[in-house]
Amino acid sequence: DVVMTQSPLSLPVTLGQPASISCRSSQSLVYSDGNTYLNWFQQRPGQSPRRLIYKVSNRDSGVPERFSGSGSGTDFTLKISRVEAEDVGVYYCMQGSHWPGTFGQGTKVEIK
Amino acid sequence: EVQLVQSGAEVKKPGESLKISCKGSGYSFSSYWIGWVRQMPGKGLEWMGIIYPGDSDTRYSPSFQGQVTISADKSISTAYLQWGSLRASDTAMYYCARRVAGFKDVDSWGQGTLVTVSS
Repeated sequence: DVVMTQSPLSLPVTLGQPASISCRSSQSLVYSDGNTYLNWFQQRPGQSPRRLIYKVSNRDSGVPERFSGSGSGTDFTLKISRVEAEDVGVYYCMQGSHWPGTFGQGTKVEIK
Repeated sequence: EVQLVQSGAEVKKPGESLKISCKGSGYSFSSYWIGWVRQMPGKGLEWMGIIYPGDSDTRYSPSFQGQVTISADKSISTAYLQWGSLRASDTAMYYCARRVAGFKDVDSWGQGTLVTVSS
């Protein structure tokens, strides 16, 4: 399986400050159709995961503009421009380019 | 609106069988892959397998092949995950999710079904 490695695993952030999560894959995520199937999910405490970003940098409907995704090949980043209280939770990257699809270990975002 | 509604929490004993469900609505259920994800207590997310309800094409992640059975009934827009003989290590939250873009992407999740296996 393709291994997805996130860092950091724990991210204490001050309200209103930026946050950044890195995700690296053990193989290139560029699929034969030219797309890169790299998603970011947010899992708030006690809730199901929710997709924030798809295909590296496309924000889902209803996702605040403070969330952005970037990267290519094997290196990807999720950024939160100004962290709000509702952003507390665990963030996962997930690749879908290689069967069966794999998730990163998760990054726990908490407020300092 | 796409919705995936899962069956309720289960408490079982080791060795018992179990089948949990995931009912889709708001879209053409037969035309999208449905996957199952395991989340063990305090841990991350793992794909177990997927099914295409239109023709029941099923694929399992290597770690789960032979451990579970995934099925679907397109007439009632429902996918299933079942165990023949549960173990304590099957205790986890199980999510169904809709896979899109030919199963390379995921856009919607069920609310989860908590399975507890304890003697």
